[in-house]
Amino acid sequence: QLQLQESGSGLVKPSQTLSLTCADSGASISSGGYSWSWIRQPPGKGLEWIGYIYHSGSTYYNPSLKSRVTISVDRSKKQLSLKLSSVTAADTAVYYCARTIITMLQGAYFDYWGQGTLVAVSS
Amino acid sequence: SYELTQPPSVSVSPGQTARITCSGDALPKQYAYWYQQKSGQGTVLVIYKDSERPSGIPERFSGSSSGTTVTLTISGVQAEDEADYYCQSADSSGTYVVFGGGTRLTVL
Repeated sequence: QLQLQESGSGLVKPSQTLSLTCADSGASISSGGYSWSWIRQPPGKGLEWIGYIYHSGSTYYNPSLKSRVTISVDRSKKQLSLKLSSVTAADTAVYYCARTIITMLQGAYFDYWGQGTLVAVSS
Repeated sequence: SYELTQPPSVSVSPGQTARITCSGDALPKQYAYWYQQKSGQGTVLVIYKDSERPSGIPERFSGSSSGTTVTLTISGVQAEDEADYYCQSADSSGTYVVFGGGTRLTVL
């Protein structure tokens, strides 16, 4: 059973950059055979897809966040990372990493999720 | 931007059938997926490719598709099924992921 764990700063000041990492219990992130996503959920609200990184390294981002988001994989550290710049209070949310299955015929979906980490944006 | 529409809430008594719908213009062309989110217990994929059930998901969970609407059906609802349910699909290009707004299932 794959287990994902998000970590990072729980409090970020407005205009600064939010940085999170995600580690897995096995070697999936470093193996290169899977794609990975970040998804967020503001308190009391629904899920919002942030973006994903293909196993090839190509990235696709939510158009509403594209100018501020960077998703990457550091295989040496076996970590997935998220950077979101110029944050505002609207970026306060629980942030999830998820293993992503992507095929031409099926599209993309998420078969394993982390428990999520709450990030608050406040001065 | 593309949207998926779900009812905010559905309520059923134990043993009854719950149906949660999700509507979107691209659903005839894109598969739908369903997730269960229980407070403090994480997010679980319960249906993939419109109607397939992952290993470990009870048989009472099923999915169907008709035109621009997909439906998650829970037969013989149990108290443990009380949760938020989200549909997910892609826009018409298949590139960008979209979630529905979520439906809170209450077991009376």
